[in-house]
Amino acid sequence: GEKVEQHESTLSVREGDSAVINCTYTDTASSYFPWYKQEAGKSLHFVIDIRSNVDRKQSQRLIVLLDKKAKRFSLHITATQPEDSAIYFCAASIYGNEKITFGAGTKLTIKP
Amino acid sequence: NAGVIQTPRHKVTGKGQEATLWCEPISGHSAVFWYRQTIVQGLEFLTYFRNQAPIDDSGMPKERFSAQMPNQSHSTLKIQSTQPQDSAVYLCASSLAGGADERLFFGHGTKLSVL
Repeated sequence: GEKVEQHESTLSVREGDSAVINCTYTDTASSYFPWYKQEAGKSLHFVIDIRSNVDRKQSQRLIVLLDKKAKRFSLHITATQPEDSAIYFCAASIYGNEKITFGAGTKLTIKP
Repeated sequence: NAGVIQTPRHKVTGKGQEATLWCEPISGHSAVFWYRQTIVQGLEFLTYFRNQAPIDDSGMPKERFSAQMPNQSHSTLKIQSTQPQDSAVYLCASSLAGGADERLFFGHGTKLSVL
């Protein structure tokens, strides 16, 4: 089955700098790549996604890049703010399959 | 919209006891998913239902875990003869499914502690 690897288990950046979280997947049939955020004491919530028909998507300060050849995708958070501190999970699902496989999570800390 | 509701929030069981976890999906959502979250394994898929029918239970430990969805308003995850390694946060999520919006909406989870 699909496996998603999240390369950074922890990441610390200064407020205002950019943060990048990298993920890889194994199944070439994967076509949907969402990202979820889990703030301290709260449950996961969706932040952004990208589908395999595009290689870049932006929503305000969040940018997702997808490299299908390398089976790699990444989340870029620009102009980081304290409220960006959280655990971020990347995920993937195979076309036609609703099951979503998650990475292990990256704990992002924004330093003042 | 109250979101996905999971009860109880915390459950403590003794080794060998049974634990039943409850999930109420968002009204109108047709897919319900169960995940297990631990520090070591991260977020592991367990099982999911669409329109109350079990679709994929490939992540379920076969012998002691079972899940049901008797009606569209709730799903249960039952763990028999609980073991310390079952200690985790069990997350339920629901989605509209089958449409353009595949986002999962997660509950707050049930933290299971097996002593």
